[in-house]
Amino acid sequence: EIVLTQSPGTLSLSPGEGATLSCRASQSVSSSYLAWYQQKLGQAPRLLIYGASSRATGIPDRFSGSGSGTDFTLTISRLEPEDFAVYYCQQYGTSQYTFGQGTKLEIK
Amino acid sequence: EVQLVESGGGLVQPGGSLRLSCAASGFTFSTYSMNWVRQAPGKGLEWVSYISSASNTIYYADSVKGRFTISRDNAKNSLYLQMNSLRDEDTAVYYCARDWGKNFQHWGQGTLVTVSS
Repeated sequence: EIVLTQSPGTLSLSPGEGATLSCRASQSVSSSYLAWYQQKLGQAPRLLIYGASSRATGIPDRFSGSGSGTDFTLTISRLEPEDFAVYYCQQYGTSQYTFGQGTKLEIK
Repeated sequence: EVQLVESGGGLVQPGGSLRLSCAASGFTFSTYSMNWVRQAPGKGLEWVSYISSASNTIYYADSVKGRFTISRDNAKNSLYLQMNSLRDEDTAVYYCARDWGKNFQHWGQGTLVTVSS
């Protein structure tokens, strides 16, 4: 099973700043199968990025994804108040899906 | 508009059984693979099970293999999760999620399953 490790666990930033979230895999992941989700308190997760770098429908262009192999990054430029949430990376490989443990993005 | 509505959650004793349902609307259900994903209270997301559009491919997480069974009825636009031999650690909000390229494109609002004596 591929283990995804996200860092940092918590990121404290102010609105208007940029955020960089990391997702590292225990073995190489197909970029086609690497996604990022946002989850706000009490809500279901929302797909942000798929295929490592493609934005899902309706996702603002301040969200971008990059990376390949074992290292992937979600970048949020110019944080808006509604961006403070928990973010998860997810991969699919060999009949199994796995999620990272999440990064909480909180207001500083 | 895509809608996924889960039901069937509740309180069950350890060792008991429960059947979750997910009613789909707003899209051609029979052409999409589907998943169950769960989230224990205050914890992260855990994928549970996958079923292809025609039910000919099914996957399970190791944590539920042999205890949970995923199924679907395309005529009723419905997805199911039969959960047997429930354990305390199965306590979670269970989401159904539409698969799209091995991502979870759309999610329901979830149904809470509590396993406790």
